[in-house]
Amino acid sequence: SQQGEEDPQALSIQEGENATMNCSYKTSINNLQWYRQNSGRGLVHLILIRSNEREKHSGRLRVTLDTSKKSSSLLITASRAADTASYFCATLPVNDYKLSFGAGTTVTVRA
Amino acid sequence: GAGVSQSPSNKVTEKGKDVELRCDPISGHTALYWYRQSLGQGLEFLIYFQGNSAPDKSGLPSDRFSAERTGGSVSTLTIQRTQQEDSAVYLCASSQWTGSRETQYFGPGTRLLVL
Repeated sequence: SQQGEEDPQALSIQEGENATMNCSYKTSINNLQWYRQNSGRGLVHLILIRSNEREKHSGRLRVTLDTSKKSSSLLITASRAADTASYFCATLPVNDYKLSFGAGTTVTVRA
Repeated sequence: GAGVSQSPSNKVTEKGKDVELRCDPISGHTALYWYRQSLGQGLEFLIYFQGNSAPDKSGLPSDRFSAERTGGSVSTLTIQRTQQEDSAVYLCASSQWTGSRETQYFGPGTRLLVL
């Protein structure tokens, strides 16, 4: 079953704008990871945030984690056409090894 | 070094036929995972290997699905008597150590279409 749920399901923005998507989950986690998928093929790992961390940055990506609300957000700043993809959050529950993926947010960046 | 590779990239088969999907993980990675992604959906966990053994096969949808891993490296996922609902992208991932407390590296997937 899917634990993570992304919101919104789809997002369309103009190049240069920021894109924000959210992920909610149900059980306590060890870490939460964000992945990007282009054209329904392989996933590319973007960032991992551990349960004791609140915010992480990687280039134009910023991820926050609020374990009290069981939610995370991914912000892409100054978006580019190449950022057009589906973005998935994946949670690793405590005492488990299986990542649980949400259904993803489809982001379209218009030139 | 090379990433995770999967073959074939695409497979079209007729209902009732058997198919074999192959995954070559990153060299030295102990853990290997198989996922299935149906159209527009997230990833569904199928099976996990630690070395050559599969401690968790709970995600396999039916007994028509099986997987093996040899030499702690290559893995094959076999689907017997394929059904149309088996159509999906099958993704393989590997990680350096047991469990996924660190990054899983994904292959490009095999797109399976059962006619």
